[in-house]
Amino acid sequence: KQEVTQIPAALSVPEGENLVLNCSFTDSAIYNLQWFRQDPGKGLTSLLLIQSSQREQTSGRLNASLDKSSGRSTLYIAASQPGDSATYLCAVPQGAQKLVFGQGTRLTINP
Amino acid sequence: EAEVAQSPRYKITEKSQAVAFWCDPISGHATLYWYRQILGQGPELLVQFQDESVVDDSQLPKDRFSAERLKGVDSTLKIQPAELGDSAMYLCASSPGFLEGRDTQYFGPGTRLTVL
Repeated sequence: KQEVTQIPAALSVPEGENLVLNCSFTDSAIYNLQWFRQDPGKGLTSLLLIQSSQREQTSGRLNASLDKSSGRSTLYIAASQPGDSATYLCAVPQGAQKLVFGQGTRLTINP
Repeated sequence: EAEVAQSPRYKITEKSQAVAFWCDPISGHATLYWYRQILGQGPELLVQFQDESVVDDSQLPKDRFSAERLKGVDSTLKIQPAELGDSAMYLCASSPGFLEGRDTQYFGPGTRLTVL
C-alpha cells in the first residue's frame, strides 16, 4: 500500500526567501508525481506533474524534482511572496489512477 | 478554460438528515473521482468511475454513502443519514482516462459539508 509523507507539516518564512518542501513515498513504482496547491476552504489547483521518466519540472518560480529510487520529491519555491501562502500537497497514483495524497505542508509567507 | 463544476459549495445539515452533492466533470473526461478531505489531512478517494461504471469504491462507507454516474457524464454523491464525522470537504475530480496512472486529475472547488 502506497503511503505519502510530507515534511514539515507547517512552515513560516519571511518574504523573499527560497524554500523547499519535501514529499516521500513508500512504493517507487509510480507513473508520476503531482504537486497541488490548496487555498483555505478551496479546491486543489495542480501546480506541476512530473512523469516517472523525468527528474525535474519547472513552472515560473516553482521547480519540482523527483528521485524515484529514493522515494522522494521536492518542491522548490524561489523568491517567495505572500501570495504563495497556502497548503501544498503532493500525490502519486496507485492502481487505476487513484491518487494517494500526503497530509500537506501549510506554508505562510510573512511580508 | 474548462473546469470541474460542483454544487453546492457549502452545505450545513443536521445529523440523520440526507445530503446530496453534484459534480459535472470536464467535457469528454471518462474518469470521475470523489474524494473526501478531513480538515488538516490530504484527500482520500471515496469512489472512482470509468464512464458509468464503478472502478473503485473500496473506501466508500456503503451503509450510508451512495454514488452514481448514470449516463457517464455528471455524478451525484449522497449521504443518508449524515453523521457528525462526515463533516469534511468533498472534492470531485476528472481526468481524460486514456493513460492509466498517467493522466492529470483536475479538481473542482469542492463542497464543504458541516453536520450539526
